[in-house]
Amino acid sequence: AQKVTQAQTEISVVEKEDVTLDCVYETRDTTYYLFWYKQPPSGELVFLIRRNSFDEQNEISGRYSWNFQKSTSSFNFTITASQVVDSAVYFCALTLSGGGADGLTFGKGTHLIIQP
Amino acid sequence: KAGVTQTPRYLIKTRGQQVTLSCSPISGHRSVSWYQQTPGQGLQFLFEYFSETQRNKGNFPGRFSGRQFSNSRSEMNVSTLELGDSALYLCASSLKAGAVTDTQYFGPGTRLTVL
Repeated sequence: AQKVTQAQTEISVVEKEDVTLDCVYETRDTTYYLFWYKQPPSGELVFLIRRNSFDEQNEISGRYSWNFQKSTSSFNFTITASQVVDSAVYFCALTLSGGGADGLTFGKGTHLIIQP
Repeated sequence: KAGVTQTPRYLIKTRGQQVTLSCSPISGHRSVSWYQQTPGQGLQFLFEYFSETQRNKGNFPGRFSGRQFSNSRSEMNVSTLELGDSALYLCASSLKAGAVTDTQYFGPGTRLTVL
């Protein structure tokens, strides 16, 4: 069975600092998809990025960037020049291609606190 | 375009009762998935419906069931409620079936408290 580990339960930084959220995954499949979602206090999960296992290119979107490394089974997320509005719980998730349960397997989440 | 809507947003029930939660997907989306979020277990996949058929089901007891209507709206039912069913229930919709083939967009959730 697949597994996603987010070892950082909570991170607190001061505004404008850069912060990296770690995500390590386990799966025996060669084809899979990785995701990051943000959950603000309102509760709704907000989609940030989706990446398939064959695309190891890093991605940058504004202040957000993602580093995917199959060699270490990691899909880390960096926020540059953090802002108070970035405060939320961030979830990394994995899903497999093929048959079986197609639902997302989530990590436990990292609670990010950005202090003004 | 309106997002995923869930009703009610908050619900309080007592043990042994049953509850029905509703989810309206984004217009045009035909897949609806349900997840349970608790502090202890985190986010767990319950089941997915596509074109009124259950495609997949997570590891939950038969007390948890659902259905999807022809307009893609979905309902989730939990019978004989237990204290451990207290959770945030999130619904997600996507155009195509499965988190593999399409990105899922989530609603705000229904907070269920079982007393």
